[in-house]
Amino acid sequence: QLQLQESGPGLVKPSETLSLTCTVSGDSIASTTNYWGWIRQSPGKGLEWIGNINYPGSPYYNPSGSTYYNPSLKSRVTMSVDTSKNQFSLKLNSVTAADTAVYFCARRPIDWRAFDMWGPGTMVTVSS
Amino acid sequence: QSVLTQPPSASGTPGQRVTISCSGSGSNIGSSPVNWYQQLPGTAPTLLIYIDNQRPSGVPDRFSGSKSGTSASLAISGLQSEDEADYYCATWDESLSGPVFGGGTQLTVL
Repeated sequence: QLQLQESGPGLVKPSETLSLTCTVSGDSIASTTNYWGWIRQSPGKGLEWIGNINYPGSPYYNPSGSTYYNPSLKSRVTMSVDTSKNQFSLKLNSVTAADTAVYFCARRPIDWRAFDMWGPGTMVTVSS
Repeated sequence: QSVLTQPPSASGTPGQRVTISCSGSGSNIGSSPVNWYQQLPGTAPTLLIYIDNQRPSGVPDRFSGSKSGTSASLAISGLQSEDEADYYCATWDESLSGPVFGGGTQLTVL
């Protein structure tokens, strides 16, 4: 049974880097049929897509995985994959209070074009 | 301000049929399939409908999706108290080159 679980610090100081990891069980992170994504939800607000990663990417151009980021966050976001641990990660630098949110990781089957499985989410607060 | 527009709230009585609308444009709903998610209080969203009108296994057939032009709808028939949740539409946006979500509709079962 597929499960995703987010992990990482619940409190980050302004201007520092938010780092989260999603551990996947029940499916391979290296599956060519899926993207893996991050979505966040600010308190009392709606859902905002952060980015997707697909592993493996093009063996010539993106051997570490192909990444796709929300343009509004692109300058601050990095996503990566660790196949040895079946995990993918999110780094968001130069955080402010506006980045306070529940962060979800999710699977996005290429054929379905939807996030079909989500982790429970992890709350990250940006505060000094 | 979400790219996709949903009514902030909807309501119905048990057994009733309720529809939730989602309005977009040619660069999103008009050119890509629509998904619907249900989010119960304090939990992660779950996928209800994908590719406009397909239900994942385990989703009751009381939930149905439709799309016409640049608008989509989620219909819930035989409304139950457990359907009280937030509902989000989503699709691909060509301008964003990524998924976009509606602002969400809070459904109350009276």
